[in-house]
Amino acid sequence: QKEVEQNSGPLSVPEGAIASLNCTYSDRGSQSFFWYRQYSGKSPELIMSIYSNGDKEDGRFTAQLNKASQYVSLLIRDSQPSDSATYLCAGTGASKLTFGTGTRLQVTL
Amino acid sequence: NAGVMQNPRHLVRRRGQEARLRCSPMKGHSHVYWYRQLPEEGLKFMVYLQKENIIDESGMPKERFSAEFPKEGPSILRIQQVVRGDSAAYFCASSPYSPNQGLNTEAFFGQGTRLTVV
Repeated sequence: QKEVEQNSGPLSVPEGAIASLNCTYSDRGSQSFFWYRQYSGKSPELIMSIYSNGDKEDGRFTAQLNKASQYVSLLIRDSQPSDSATYLCAGTGASKLTFGTGTRLQVTL
Repeated sequence: NAGVMQNPRHLVRRRGQEARLRCSPMKGHSHVYWYRQLPEEGLKFMVYLQKENIIDESGMPKERFSAEFPKEGPSILRIQQVVRGDSAAYFCASSPYSPNQGLNTEAFFGQGTRLTVV
């Protein structure tokens, strides 16, 4: 079982819609979770971090964490073509930061 | 405050040569991660280091690969006797705290080194 799992996509949403990206993790000891955005040929860029159960909002982005269900999600409101990228979910175990394989998001005009 | 700096950005090596990749963490960060990424694939964890200490190298191949993070200077990922299969993007990320310290363990990435073995 992979430590962090994501649906690889692509997830296609029309411009202006809400994009919902999901992630599950296997290590119950994981304390911190992150969402990174990676454009093709570029390095990952941190966009959200979440440490406790519930929702955390930052602009058009909302991260949700449910430790009982071992589930993390990212909502992107009012999706824009510039949001088209691969979104990587990451969690911290005891000794490392582990990434899922990423979900490719396509925002269509 | 400069971000994570990696050099070189692009590196071409012939089979059998050595590749040396450097990573200078953000100021105040004492933790470094190295990841490898093949085209259209995810980030594969290689090694996690603190200054002068390897914490987790479970993702590093047992042969030809080594990493260090000295007290002074950048972290180095060294690949000896490179083969074509080593061609990939290598990213490093730095963090101010270790993963099990709870809050503020955000990690920031450098621009990566694209290694091509010919």
